[in-house]
Amino acid sequence: AQSVAQPEDQVNVAEGNPLTVKCTYSVSGNPYLFWYVQYPNRGLQFLLKYITGDNLVKGSYGFEAEFNKSQTSFHLKKPSALVSDSALYFCAVRDPTGAGSYQLTFGKGTKLSVIP
Amino acid sequence: GAVVSQHPSRVICKSGTSVKIECRSLDFQATTMFWYRQFPKQSLMLMATSNEGSKATYEQGVEKDKFLINHASLTLSTLTVTSAHPEDSSFYICSARRGGRVNTEAFFGQGTRLTVV
Repeated sequence: AQSVAQPEDQVNVAEGNPLTVKCTYSVSGNPYLFWYVQYPNRGLQFLLKYITGDNLVKGSYGFEAEFNKSQTSFHLKKPSALVSDSALYFCAVRDPTGAGSYQLTFGKGTKLSVIP
Repeated sequence: GAVVSQHPSRVICKSGTSVKIECRSLDFQATTMFWYRQFPKQSLMLMATSNEGSKATYEQGVEKDKFLINHASLTLSTLTVTSAHPEDSSFYICSARRGGRVNTEAFFGQGTRLTVV
């Protein structure tokens, strides 16, 4: 069975500083990995994905993530945080074999607070 | 990106009544739709997976007679919470995948806040 761990419930960072939101995964075979962001009382918005290729993936709003196979990690990063980045961030993994109709397994989420 | 529209965004209903939530893919055909439930400050819990034209597959512990899912067309899936009770109050989110594309991400609706009084 696949799983995702987001070890931090909350991350606080000062505006303008770099941010990192951590994610590790467990899946048989090569993973498909995703990051989504959720604002209060809203659905999830797609940020970026890793399927194959370059380990550094660039996504929406200046976010990027680095796939590290040896550490089974997919940490989300941004060089300079904005107050508007404050939200709930979810890491997700999908079984590439198509089991479960490609359903996503989500981490528990990390609340990012960017302090002005 | 593709658009998934979920309606209504908020609903308040009396205990014992039924509520229907719609999930539409506006600009693509979604062969598979997923329904999630999210409790406050928690992750998304997958309730069921629905494929167009077939019965939904429910996750363990989810009552299929209480949470009726219909995926009658490639652009519409509905979740009906039957005989709602206060403990059904939650945030429900749908997502949809394009048919025939293995590598694509899922697109999410904006969610429905259900309050049962």
